[in-house]
Amino acid sequence: DADVTQTPRNRITKTGKRIMLECSQTKGHDRMYWYRQDPGLGLRLIYYSFDVKDINKGEISDGYSVSRQAQAKFSLSLESAIPNQTALYFCATPPAGGPYEQYFGPGTRLTVT
Amino acid sequence: EDQVTQSPEALRLQEGESSSLNCSYTVSGLRGLFWYRQDPGKGPEFLFTLYSAGEEKEKERLKATLTKKESFLHITAPKPEDSATYLCAVRNAGNMLTFGGGTRLMVKP
Repeated sequence: DADVTQTPRNRITKTGKRIMLECSQTKGHDRMYWYRQDPGLGLRLIYYSFDVKDINKGEISDGYSVSRQAQAKFSLSLESAIPNQTALYFCATPPAGGPYEQYFGPGTRLTVT
Repeated sequence: EDQVTQSPEALRLQEGESSSLNCSYTVSGLRGLFWYRQDPGKGPEFLFTLYSAGEEKEKERLKATLTKKESFLHITAPKPEDSATYLCAVRNAGNMLTFGGGTRLMVKP
């Protein structure tokens, strides 16, 4: 079984709709991250959480919100989707205390029409 | 602001043709440089961490090296299964990661 899972894997939605992307991990790590990937731009950090009660904004948090329901679950919401939020979204979790060797989920491909 | 630039954006090689990928960076207090491999439709997979200039790490046909301004990922005698996008990232003193745009490597048999 995969250590980091994301649902859905693909989603097409319309402008203005609210959408939630979900992430679960079985590695027992405290820290969880949401990234966005656009062609040629690399991965950019949206939000991150050090534990259930500690949530922080990343470099591109505008238009997004998150919820850490449990140590193993971290959800990303787009409150009112817009076309330039079309991208690949990845959840990741690093081991505690060590280098930032992130374990990434398989990604969600989101298209906003 | 930390910056990571990878070159070339795309690289086509014949099987067995060795080459190098470049990752140039500026960072406030380097706390590690990371290389990842990303296959189509998948999340990035961790390859190496380098911490200081002069350090080298190897894994099969891949060798990563680090200087004060850049890192190289050397690929020796590549095979078609090495085809992927290779991502570089740096961690700064505030423990934040900055990723480069990646190099898409295509190895033809």
